[in-house]
Amino acid sequence: DTGVSQDPRHKITKRGQNVTFRCDPISEHNRLYWYRQTLGQGPEFLTYFQNEAQLEKSRLLSDRFSAERPKGSFSTLEIQRTEQGDSAMYLCASRPGTVNTEAFFGQGTRLTVV
Amino acid sequence: AQSVTQLGSHVSVSEGALVLLRCNYSSSVPPYLFWYVQYPNQGLQLLLKYTSAATLVKGINGFEAEFKKSETSFHLTKPSAHMSDAAEYFCAVSESTGFQKLVFGTGTRLLVSP
Repeated sequence: DTGVSQDPRHKITKRGQNVTFRCDPISEHNRLYWYRQTLGQGPEFLTYFQNEAQLEKSRLLSDRFSAERPKGSFSTLEIQRTEQGDSAMYLCASRPGTVNTEAFFGQGTRLTVV
Repeated sequence: AQSVTQLGSHVSVSEGALVLLRCNYSSSVPPYLFWYVQYPNQGLQLLLKYTSAATLVKGINGFEAEFKKSETSFHLTKPSAHMSDAAEYFCAVSESTGFQKLVFGTGTRLLVSP
C-alpha cells in the first residue's frame, strides 16, 4: 500500500496522559498536513510541514500540542496532558510540491479521552 | 481568509434520483476547490477538484461539479444515486499558491433509500 499511513487507528487514553500519533506520507510528497475532525464537523487545519520545516500552525494548536517531521519523512503529533476536548479524529494528509495537485488523506487516528 | 458553506447537513434521495449537494465559498484570491467523500471511521477520498482549468469538472463514481465564479458556488451533482453513495461529503477550498491548506465545510450527509 503506497497511501498515507497513520498509526494507531484508535487510541483510548485517560485524561492527563500523553499520546503520540504517527503519520507516514506518500514517499516523495514533501508537503504534510495535520487536521483535526470532531464529531459532525469538517476537518480543521492544525499544522503544515514542507520537508522538515514546520511552516504554519493553527491557533487551534495549543502549547500542549507539538508536531515534528524529522528528516522530512514521517511525522509525529504529540498531545501532552490530554483533555476530554481533545477527543477527535486526527487526520494526516500529504501532497507533492507541484501545483494543481490534491492532498491525499490517511485513515486517521481516532482519539478518545476518558 | 477563506470559508466554505454547505447548505443542508443532511440530504435524502431515492436510489436512481438526482443528487445535488450545495457548496458556496468565500475567497479573496483565486481558489482551488475540492469535494471529498468520507465513509464511517475512514479518511477522506477525493471525488474531484477544480484548479482553474475547465469550470465543469468530472470526478470519480459519476460525480461532477461546476465552478461558478459569479455565484461563488461549486455544487456537486450525480444524475442517478446508488446505495453505495451514502456517505459524508465535504467541500473544501484552498489558495492556489502558498501553503494550500484546505478549509472545509461542515459536511453534508447523503442518505440513499431503496
